[in-house]
Amino acid sequence: DQQVKQNSPSLSVQEGRISILNCDYTNSMFDYFLWYKKYPAEGPTFLISISSIKDKNEDGRFTVFLNKSAKHLSLHIVPSQPGDSAVYFCAASTQGAQKLVFGQGTRLTINP
Amino acid sequence: DTGVSQNPRHKITKRGQNVTFRCDPISEHNRLYWYRQTLGQGPEFLTYFQNEAQLEKSRLLSDRFSAERPKGSFSTLEIQRTEQGDSAMYLCASSIRVAGANVLTFGAGSRLTVL
Repeated sequence: DQQVKQNSPSLSVQEGRISILNCDYTNSMFDYFLWYKKYPAEGPTFLISISSIKDKNEDGRFTVFLNKSAKHLSLHIVPSQPGDSAVYFCAASTQGAQKLVFGQGTRLTINP
Repeated sequence: DTGVSQNPRHKITKRGQNVTFRCDPISEHNRLYWYRQTLGQGPEFLTYFQNEAQLEKSRLLSDRFSAERPKGSFSTLEIQRTEQGDSAMYLCASSIRVAGANVLTFGAGSRLTVL
């Protein structure tokens, strides 16, 4: 039962352009959503989060959009930089629950 | 603050042997988690501690798996009678709430290879 899905295993974007990573979820009880970035041989690192009471959260080059009716969220990176090349995981949690449920990940490659 | 520390980073063992992984969380974090990640998949929740109490266990955590967090500090994850299907990256995380979100900080992981 995959409650959080990232349907694109990989994405390739040219440096300086916008990267858009997508995530869908099935559990309508989820009310917090997070994005993590993972480099090889390292653990995932927290990037940005959004509460279900918002539809957008911005932090520098990173913006997360939430569409509750579609049960869809996306991460926009603009402009994309070579150091953004990594695997990105979408994660979700319900209020009161302590664990995060992760998607399968999307490998982002930024080409010079 | 050195972050979440996990040891060993890599363990190669023969099927049927027991292995133990250790996690040292960020000192001010009272929540500690174990996740497992296999190739091409996201981290899957195994178990969670608040202080020394193990509050939730996934059905993925078979009887061969046991986790402890004595005194609410470091934690150990033991796998008995390892099987080839246990080969994975075992990730430990500790957490603190940031603006309402439960943000997990992960260690670099312990990779298990069962031959």
